[in-house]
Amino acid sequence: DQQVKQNSPSLSVQEGRISILNCDYTNSMFDYFLWYKKYPAEGPTFLISISSIKDKNEDGRFTVFLNKSAKHLSLHIVPSQPGDSAVYFCAASATSGTYKYIFGTGTRLKVLA
Amino acid sequence: ETGVTQSPTHLIKTRGQQVTLRCSSQSGHNTVSWYQQALGQGPQFIFQYYREEENGRGNFPPRFSGLQFPNYSSELNVNALELDDSALYLCASTIAGGVMAQYFGPGTRLLVL
Repeated sequence: DQQVKQNSPSLSVQEGRISILNCDYTNSMFDYFLWYKKYPAEGPTFLISISSIKDKNEDGRFTVFLNKSAKHLSLHIVPSQPGDSAVYFCAASATSGTYKYIFGTGTRLKVLA
Repeated sequence: ETGVTQSPTHLIKTRGQQVTLRCSSQSGHNTVSWYQQALGQGPQFIFQYYREEENGRGNFPPRFSGLQFPNYSSELNVNALELDDSALYLCASTIAGGVMAQYFGPGTRLLVL
């Protein structure tokens, strides 16, 4: 039972354009969501997070949008840069209890120069 | 650079053997989680330790066990290794009650033959 789904295994975008990565979840108890970026041979690096009390959080080129009614979140990267090429994971957590994250399967983003 | 280190980086074992993986968290991070990442999948939560006590467990059998020490280091032990245990093992640390983002180490890649 995949509670967090990233349905696009890969995405290619031209440098300077917007990258949109999507994530869906099924568990209504999730109230905290995060995006991680992972390069080969490295651990996931925290990018940005959002609490369920918000519908948008922005940090520089990265913006996360949360649509609770649709159980959907997205990560927007504007403008995309070649260094953004990596695998992106969304993760979800229920703040009551442990800091257990449920991860999606990842989307590989390739930004073309 | 997350300040979380793991050792060894790579390990080869045979089926039925036992393995110990190590993690050194950031100073002050009193919570450590371990994840298993199989090829092409997102990280899966194994368990979490808070102040040296297990504080939550995912769907992993008892042959996966752990320890957390007062010096912010921790161990993941796996007994009776199976071929399906071949994966990247990640530890992540955070401060309980603080910002929920977990900081991951680079991982240990385990191959079971």
